[in-house]
Amino acid sequence: AQKITQTQPGMFVQEKEAVTLDCTYDTSDQSYGLFWYKQPSSGEMIFLIYQGSYDEQNATEGRYSLNFQKARKSANLVISASQLGDSAMYFCAMREAGFYGGATNKLIFGTGTLLAVQP
Amino acid sequence: NAGVTQTPKFRVLKTGQSMTLLCAQDMNHEYMYWYRQDPGMGLRLIHYSVGEGTTAKGEVPDGYNVSRLKKQNFLLGLESAAPSQTSVYFCASSLTEVYEQYFGPGTRLTVT
Repeated sequence: AQKITQTQPGMFVQEKEAVTLDCTYDTSDQSYGLFWYKQPSSGEMIFLIYQGSYDEQNATEGRYSLNFQKARKSANLVISASQLGDSAMYFCAMREAGFYGGATNKLIFGTGTLLAVQP
Repeated sequence: NAGVTQTPKFRVLKTGQSMTLLCAQDMNHEYMYWYRQDPGMGLRLIHYSVGEGTTAKGEVPDGYNVSRLKKQNFLLGLESAAPSQTSVYFCASSLTEVYEQYFGPGTRLTVT
């Protein structure tokens, strides 16, 4: 069964430092997608970054980058130059492959990592 | 362009009562989803729809029903609410199966 594991329930980082949030996944599919979402204390889910399983380069979006190591089945999120506004819950998610060729874009989420940025 | 909206934002129900949560999107997205979020468990998919008039079960569908009569709306119904359905409910939509999902602000439901 497909599964996402986030082993860090909580993390602290000093403002302006970089931080890595871990995510490992389990799938037997060759084609899949990996996402990171941010959930601030206000509750909304904000899409951050996407990595396709066939993408050869690691995805980057501004201060966010995804360290994709396919052989290790890991998709860690790296936030550079942390800001106070980065304090939030971060979720890693995997797009589940469709059955019989029918794609559904269903997402399987990890349990999240609560990041606290300290001044 | 409001994106994905959810109605209501908060609701308290008594056990056995029914209610409908409304999700609306104005982005002409084909795919829509309902998730629930419980402490320590991330988000879990309840039901989803890959187009107008179609629905399918997700990971935790029991106790819920859905309908997608119009492309822009996706309704989640609780016929007989139970305390175990106390949760935060998120609706999401995506353009197609390869694009990211955009989430609504969530509905906090308490069943007493």
